[in-house]
Amino acid sequence: AQSVAQPEDQVNVAEGNPLTVKCTYSVSGNPYLFWYVQYPNRGLQFLLKYITGDNLVKGSYGFEAEFNKSQTSFHLKKPSALVSDSALYFCAVRDPPNDMRFGAGTRLTVKP
Amino acid sequence: KAGVTQTPRYLIKTRGQQVTLSCSPISGHRSVSWYQQTPGQGLQFLFEYFSETQRNKGNFPGRFSGRQFSNSRSEMNVSTLELGDSALYLCASSSGGQGYGYTFGSGTRLTVV
Repeated sequence: AQSVAQPEDQVNVAEGNPLTVKCTYSVSGNPYLFWYVQYPNRGLQFLLKYITGDNLVKGSYGFEAEFNKSQTSFHLKKPSALVSDSALYFCAVRDPPNDMRFGAGTRLTVKP
Repeated sequence: KAGVTQTPRYLIKTRGQQVTLSCSPISGHRSVSWYQQTPGQGLQFLFEYFSETQRNKGNFPGRFSGRQFSNSRSEMNVSTLELGDSALYLCASSSGGQGYGYTFGSGTRLTVV
């Protein structure tokens, strides 16, 4: 069975500071890992994915994520947060041929 | 390139009624997945279709059903609506390869009264 956990419901950071949104996963095989962002009253937007290769993955809007197989983690990072980054962030895992499963989401608030 | 289109955007139904939601994927995408989003349960997987075949199914009661047409458009139906079915229903499309990310629609907000 596949599952994904986002241990923090809420993350608060000051504008200009680095941000990290945590994600851990559990799968039986090699995972496909994803990050999505959701703005109010909208669907989710794809940010980045890890399939294979380099453990550091770069995505949209300056976000990146680091895959750590030994810790089964896929944390989302950004060197310098913007107020406009405030949104709900979802980590997702897929262990083919199963469906994509999402974490509970982490609300990121960036304060000016 | 048009995005994923979900209709209607908002819907109010009465308990016991049934409802049909529609999703038109991005042109050329052959896979459509449906999710239910609620504040308490987060994103719950409903179905995944690929080329008119159901590829995966979530743990929802039989009142929830879906299908995909030859043009990749998909519908989901909920019969005998309950208050707990009130949610944002999200449709996502992809090319079909399981390593690809999803493109989501804006969702249908269903309220059951």
